[in-house]
Amino acid sequence: GIQVEQSPPDLILQEGANSTLRCNFSDSVNNLQWFHQNPWGQLINLFYIPSGTKQNGRLSATTVATERYSLLYISSSQTTDSGVYFCAVEVDNNDMRFGAGTRLTVKP
Amino acid sequence: EAEVAQSPRYKITEKSQAVAFWCDPISGHATLYWYRQILGQGPELLVQFQDESVVDDSQLPKDRFSAERLKGVDSTLKIQPAELGDSAMYLCASSYAVKAYEQYFGPGTRLTVT
Repeated sequence: GIQVEQSPPDLILQEGANSTLRCNFSDSVNNLQWFHQNPWGQLINLFYIPSGTKQNGRLSATTVATERYSLLYISSSQTTDSGVYFCAVEVDNNDMRFGAGTRLTVKP
Repeated sequence: EAEVAQSPRYKITEKSQAVAFWCDPISGHATLYWYRQILGQGPELLVQFQDESVVDDSQLPKDRFSAERLKGVDSTLKIQPAELGDSAMYLCASSYAVKAYEQYFGPGTRLTVT
């Protein structure tokens, strides 16, 4: 089956710093989503981005489907950005496969 | 903004007992998913419904797990009997349709089996 790899697995930042999270996938996908899992466990939708670039405030994402990767950029990080960031890709019939996540800690 | 509802939020049960989780998807969403997330890992799909029909339950441990969506709206996931290894977060998600639509997740049910 499709492999989804996220890097880095852990990231520690000082408040105000910028960061880039990466998601590589091993096969063609129908779509790709980025999520932020908050400390209570809820998955918050960040981007639905099968291709191209999108921006939402301090966050932006780029997916290059032909090269099978996606990047999530976080600028001017805040302590509330802490949590786990997941990339998930859709294979057949909307079967979403998740990566193992990147755990982000933003220190004040 | 419409949300996926789940209950209970937390459940503690003893090994060999039965447990059930409930999910109400976003209104108008035909596709409903149940995922299991073990601590430190990403969610894994257990079962997918399109309206009241099961589309994919290949990863559902059918000897102890069952899921239904009788009227094509809300859904129940049951475990009987629960085992220690079932301790996990159970997440429900919904999307407008089957293919290439954004999925939205509920708050989850955190299950602890003692």
